[in-house]
Amino acid sequence: AQTVTQSQPEMSVQEAETVTLSCTYDTSENNYYLFWYKQPPSRQMILVIRQEAYKQQNATENRFSVNFQKAAKSFSLKISDSQLGDTAMYFCAFITTDSWGKLQFGAGTQVVVTP
Amino acid sequence: KAGVTQTPRYLIKTRGQQVTLSCSPISGHRSVSWYQQTPGQGLQFLFEYFSETQRNKGNFPGRFSGRQFSNSRSEMNVSTLELGDSALYLCASSLGGGLTYNEQFFGPGTRLTVL
Repeated sequence: AQTVTQSQPEMSVQEAETVTLSCTYDTSENNYYLFWYKQPPSRQMILVIRQEAYKQQNATENRFSVNFQKAAKSFSLKISDSQLGDTAMYFCAFITTDSWGKLQFGAGTQVVVTP
Repeated sequence: KAGVTQTPRYLIKTRGQQVTLSCSPISGHRSVSWYQQTPGQGLQFLFEYFSETQRNKGNFPGRFSGRQFSNSRSEMNVSTLELGDSALYLCASSLGGGLTYNEQFFGPGTRLTVL
């Protein structure tokens, strides 16, 4: 079975500080993509960052970066210089190359950024 | 370019009724995926359609069905509604074809309440 585990239900961080969200996954496939999605109170799902499993270099997008450890099946997200607008539910997800339309999500981590 | 649209945005039904939800993808996108989001089960994949064919299916009972039209618009239908079907239903569209992953863009969701 393919699973995604996010062990932190909620995290709080002050503005301008850094927070790291953890995610582990399990799949027997070799070809897959990993993602972090953000879902603010509006419920609109927004892609934050993605990582191709065949790439060793960790992906970065402005203040967001990942630490991808393929052997450990770990995929953490670091949010630097946190802003109030980063307050949202964050979901880790992956997709395998044999099921392009099927994203599998973790349970989510609620991030609250405080002034 | 217009984003993914879902109609209706909110729906209230009673147990035993049936419901049809609609999703219009981004122009040019041929793949539509559907997800159910509940507080208890999180985000779960329902099914994916590509060029009018169901390509992937999640683990949901036969009461949940879908289809896709030639213009790529998709509908999902839930028959004999149960209280547990109350959820946010999200659809996502992508280009869908090819050997590399194409990003899924999410709609705002339809909030279904079953009384």
